[in-house]
Amino acid sequence: GENVEQHPSTLSVQEGDSAVIKCTYSDSASNYFPWYKQELGKGPQLIIDIRSNVGEKKDQRIAVTLNKTAKHFSLHITETQPEDSAVYFCAASRGRNTGNQFYFGTGTSLTVIP
Amino acid sequence: EAQVTQNPRYLITVTGKKLTVTCSQNMNHEYMSWYRQDPGLGLRQIYYSMNVEVTDKGDVPEGYKVSRKEKRNFPLILESPSPNQTSLYFCASRTPGTEQFFGPGTRLTVL
Repeated sequence: GENVEQHPSTLSVQEGDSAVIKCTYSDSASNYFPWYKQELGKGPQLIIDIRSNVGEKKDQRIAVTLNKTAKHFSLHITETQPEDSAVYFCAASRGRNTGNQFYFGTGTSLTVIP
Repeated sequence: EAQVTQNPRYLITVTGKKLTVTCSQNMNHEYMSWYRQDPGLGLRQIYYSMNVEVTDKGDVPEGYKVSRKEKRNFPLILESPSPNQTSLYFCASRTPGTEQFFGPGTRLTVL
């Protein structure tokens, strides 16, 4: 099956700096890559996703890049704010429209220091 | 309000005592899943369902059962819980082509 690795496991940045979280996957058939933010005591919430036919996607301060050849994708958060502090998970799936199997990374605990 | 609900939110039980965690969604989603979250391991999929009466094993199905008799409900059943099933459990739902919505979680402790 698929194996998703995520780094780093913890990340501290100063407010206003950028944060980057990286994930690799093993199954070349994976073609949908969502990122989730989990705040304390809550369930994960989708913040951005990307499909394999796209190399980059941006939504305000958040961007995701995908390198299919190298099988890795990254989350970029610019101008970080204290409310960005949370645990972030990457995931991989064989299809947004087909199937329902998702493989998650082990999570990154991001702390934004005011 | 569109949401996924789980009950109970917290549960402490003893080894071998059968329990059910309920999950319900009000968004008419076809797909539903159960995950467990453990420190250092992220979220791992236990079972998923793509429609009523259609369920399939995820990565860690041992010790769990599910059923999907109605579109909105997807209960997780532990027939003989063991301490290694102590975990934080999440139910999720989605429609094909859309994002996955997670419930608030159920923290289970098996003594």
